Amino acid sequence: GQSLEQPSEVTAVEGAIVQINCTYQTSGFYGLSWYQQHDGGAPTFLSYNGLDGLEETGRFSSFLSRSDSYGYLLLQELQMKDSASYFCAVSTHAGNMLTFGGGTRLMVKP
Amino acid sequence: KAGVTQTPRYLIKTRGQQVTLSCSPISGHRSVSWYQQTPGQGLQFLFEYFSETQRNKGNFPGRFSGRQFSNSRSEMNVSTLELGDSALYLCASSQGTSRTGELFFGEGSRLTVL
Repeated sequence: GQSLEQPSEVTAVEGAIVQINCTYQTSGFYGLSWYQQHDGGAPTFLSYNGLDGLEETGRFSSFLSRSDSYGYLLLQELQMKDSASYFCAVSTHAGNMLTFGGGTRLMVKP
Repeated sequence: KAGVTQTPRYLIKTRGQQVTLSCSPISGHRSVSWYQQTPGQGLQFLFEYFSETQRNKGNFPGRFSGRQFSNSRSEMNVSTLELGDSALYLCASSQGTSRTGELFFGEGSRLTVL
């Protein structure tokens, strides 16, 4: 089966940098995605890594190491609005079937 | 352009009933996926439709079914509802032709089974 592990909770202060790790065990791998979900809201796409390395989108960066079955999401210059749940998700098939991790609840404090 | 629209947003059913949820994808998107979100199990994939054909299916019992129409709108149906089917059902759309891992989610339909 497929499994993804990420920390359940992370707390950081405004302006800081936080890294959310994700390790996965899957049969087949196309890429690793990251989604943000605020309480009561829909998941929104943040980034995707299909190849090893770093992808940067504004304050957010995502990294993938396929050989280590590991990735992370890096959030810089944290803002209060970044308080949300963050999910890593693996694509293992052609198409849009994603396997999600359990989510990391990020609390940003003043 | 308009996002993914799901109806109804909230509904309450009793055990044994059946329910149909509707999803209108972003215009031009041909892939529609359905996910179930619960506090205990997290986000779980139900199925994906692309150009009216089921392309992928998750590990859910046959009580869960779906379909896609020629205009890409999709419906999912759950028959013989159980208490454990209480969840947020999320629909996601994409163009479906490239592998970017980017899905556009709707706000979801929150189902409560009593």
